Amino acid sequence: AQKVTQAQTEISVVEKEDVTLDCVYETRDTTYYLFWYKQPPSGELVFLIRRNSFDEQNEISGRYSWNFQKSTSSFNFTITASQVVDSAVYFCALRFGGAQKLVFGQGTRLTINP
Amino acid sequence: SAVISQKPSRDICQRGTSLTIQCQVDSQVTMMFWYRQQPGQSLTLIATANQGSEATYESGFVIDKFPISRPNLTFSTLTVSNMSPEDSSIYLCSVGGARNEQFFGPGTRLTVL
Repeated sequence: AQKVTQAQTEISVVEKEDVTLDCVYETRDTTYYLFWYKQPPSGELVFLIRRNSFDEQNEISGRYSWNFQKSTSSFNFTITASQVVDSAVYFCALRFGGAQKLVFGQGTRLTINP
Repeated sequence: SAVISQKPSRDICQRGTSLTIQCQVDSQVTMMFWYRQQPGQSLTLIATANQGSEATYESGFVIDKFPISRPNLTFSTLTVSNMSPEDSSIYLCSVGGARNEQFFGPGTRLTVL
């Protein structure tokens, strides 16, 4: 079965703290893609990153970084020096096999308090 | 990245009526996807729409309730038929990108009274 689990339903931190959002996935396919999206209160889904199953390099983009570990089937997302504008719901998603459809985790609501 | 627009952005409808949501992409794409996000929930795929063929529906979704059109490579519509309050959701269309990204439209926020 293809599945994405985001065990953290809600996280609340104070501004400037670092925060890590966890994502664990399940798939039997050897070729797959993992995604992170941000959904601010306005509702649109903002694409953050795509990682394929053959590339385990960690990635950093400004204050954002992603840690992909196939050994633990995890694709965690860290925000460094969080800001109030980072407050949103964050979704991890899996695309498997030849399909383009996505399976989403339940999302983590992140609140950054000033 | 693809630029996707949806109409309407939001609507309030009476139960028993139908609403058609439009999705327009600024480039030609083979597949378009329709997702539903119920209040406080994650996204669930409704169907995949290929141009020139019938849409493929996911388990739990049927064509009579969610008919889809795909008349060309840049446009699709999703109709929510015979609406009930349980259909109150955000409906999003999505397309794949050239580098295996997946982009989403801004969503249509539907409230059914």
